[in-house]
Amino acid sequence: AQKITQTQPGMFVQEKEAVTLDCTYDTSDPSYGLFWYKQPSSGEMIFLIYQGSYDQQNATEGRYSLNFQKARKSANLVISASQLGDSAMYFCAMSELYNQGGKLIFGQGTELSVKP
Amino acid sequence: EAQVTQNPRYLITVTGKKLTVTCSQNMNHEYMSWYRQDPGLGLRQIYYSMNVEVTDKGDVPEGYKVSRKEKRNFPLILESPSPNQTSLYFCASRDLRYGYTFGSGTRLTVV
Repeated sequence: AQKITQTQPGMFVQEKEAVTLDCTYDTSDPSYGLFWYKQPSSGEMIFLIYQGSYDQQNATEGRYSLNFQKARKSANLVISASQLGDSAMYFCAMSELYNQGGKLIFGQGTELSVKP
Repeated sequence: EAQVTQNPRYLITVTGKKLTVTCSQNMNHEYMSWYRQDPGLGLRQIYYSMNVEVTDKGDVPEGYKVSRKEKRNFPLILESPSPNQTSLYFCASRDLRYGYTFGSGTRLTVV
């Protein structure tokens, strides 16, 4: 069964340092997508980055990069040069395109706190 | 600006009083869905729609209805809300390549 696991309930990072948020997934479908979302205290879900299962290169979006290790079924998010505004909950999610129309399965989230 | 507009942001209601949470997207996406987020349970899909007049149940559909009469709108209807439907609700629409755009969320409290 498809599953997303985030093993870090909470993390601290010093401002301007890099931080890695862990995510492992389980699926038997060869075609899937992996996503990271940010949820600040205001509650909205903000899309950060996407990685397709057939993408050869790791995805990058500004300060965000996704370390995709397909054989290990891991999709860790790397945030470079952390900022105070990065403090939020971060969710890893997976979508299998042909499973219930591609619904997102979410991990439990990691709460990131950036210290000045 | 590409967006999913969800209303209201906050709603307090009483048990049994019918309510509708509206959702509208301006990206011409075919796929839309509703999620609820609860502490300890995470985000779970309620209903989804692959296109106009095509809807299907997600993981937690009990107590909810949806309709998709036009592509841009996908309202969530609670015919007789109960306290266990107190939650944070999200509407989302999907681009096949880049995933989901979420609305701002609706914090619903049923007393």
